[in-house]
Amino acid sequence: AQSVTQLGSHVSVSEGALVLLRCNYSSSVPPYLFWYVQYPNQGLQLLLKYTSAATLVKGINGFEAEFKKSETSFHLTKPSAHMSDAAEYFCAVTGFGNEKLTFGTGTRLTIIP
Amino acid sequence: DVKVTQSSRYLVKRTGEKVFLECVQDMDHENMFWYRQDPGLGLRLIYFSYDVKMKEKGDIPEGYSVSREKKERFSLILESASTNQTSMYLCASSFGRALDTKNIQYFGAGTRLSVL
Repeated sequence: AQSVTQLGSHVSVSEGALVLLRCNYSSSVPPYLFWYVQYPNQGLQLLLKYTSAATLVKGINGFEAEFKKSETSFHLTKPSAHMSDAAEYFCAVTGFGNEKLTFGTGTRLTIIP
Repeated sequence: DVKVTQSSRYLVKRTGEKVFLECVQDMDHENMFWYRQDPGLGLRLIYFSYDVKMKEKGDIPEGYSVSREKKERFSLILESASTNQTSMYLCASSFGRALDTKNIQYFGAGTRLSVL
């Protein structure tokens, strides 16, 4: 069984500040981990994925995430927030060769001008 | 670019009606998924199909059925709509033939269904 927990359903940061969105996972097999972003009135879009290669993963729009097995975490960061980053972010987990994803409950990111 | 198209962005139906939500993908993907998205609950898988005429129940299949007669089209059916099925419905697809891509899902824009 697999699950993800996203700490903080709402996060607010000032424009230019560090963005940190937290995700912890539970998996009985080596996990594949994903971050998806959902802009208002749109579907989800893949930001980045971890598939057992490098533990630091770079994604689109300046985001990156680090896989830490000892902490069972896969937190998403961006050094400097931009107004266009305002969206809902979802962490997801699966196992190798598995089509189905298990999603977290999401974190809504608000950027303060 | 992969395109996943959901036929309606907004839909209003009455309790007891039969409702069809349609999804079409243009990338010859084997796998297709239906989720519902509710505030505070994230995305929950309703049904999944890995081939034409094949389907598998997800986490919350009660009250729903699906149809996949053609590879590119996956329909979600609410046999008798109820108010607790008011939600955002998201369709997704993925390329199933390679182990390292079958878990990358591409999403449609969603259908916001209101059942009155």
